[in-house]
Amino acid sequence: SQTIHQWPATLVQPVGSPLSLECTVEGTSNPNLYWYRQAAGRGLQLLFYSVGIGQISSEVPQNLSASRPQDRQFILSSKKLLLSDSGFYLCAWTPAGAPDTQYFGPGTRLTVL
Amino acid sequence: AQTVTQSQPEMSVQEAETVTLSCTYDTSESNYYLFWYKQPPSRQMILVIRQEAYKQQNATENRFSVNFQKAAKSFSLKISDSQLGDTAMYFCAFMKTFGNEKLTFGTGTRLTIIP
Repeated sequence: SQTIHQWPATLVQPVGSPLSLECTVEGTSNPNLYWYRQAAGRGLQLLFYSVGIGQISSEVPQNLSASRPQDRQFILSSKKLLLSDSGFYLCAWTPAGAPDTQYFGPGTRLTVL
Repeated sequence: AQTVTQSQPEMSVQEAETVTLSCTYDTSESNYYLFWYKQPPSRQMILVIRQEAYKQQNATENRFSVNFQKAAKSFSLKISDSQLGDTAMYFCAFMKTFGNEKLTFGTGTRLTIIP
């Protein structure tokens, strides 16, 4: 069966520091991968999605970037964090060729101080 | 662009009762998917139920069922025999069938099951 992992689970970072969040999927090949952010008390906003290695599409211009160095690995990064980057970050995947349902990882809670 | 509206920020119901959560959406697409996701205190998003727009029959998953009214662009979730473990945020979401499989979420309904 497929499993999706995210780490770290919780992160507290100072303003201006770099960021790297990692998402990996097991038990599948060539998944579509997604990064969402959930601000406090709000729904989810799609940040990036990827249909393959090195293929990244950005939904919202912002202080963040994404990379997909391996088939089942998706990384969310920032060079300098802002206070507004605080939130809950969720990674999701769908099977390639049948992307009709997204399955989510456990999420990372990021607090920027 | 698609929009999803959940007009009930909070709801509460006694354990074992039935509750209905509302969702409306706006789209010009004819083929799409609709979802209800549950987010318990752990904050992991869990798929509750999925509906394909081309199917007239309402989806059902055990105690969870939907009332899908395509013409009215309405997609409500009914939870029967509610249990304490149903306490969570519930999000309605929309996805086009083709192209970018972006999920568009509503703002959520916080459901509390009262013992």
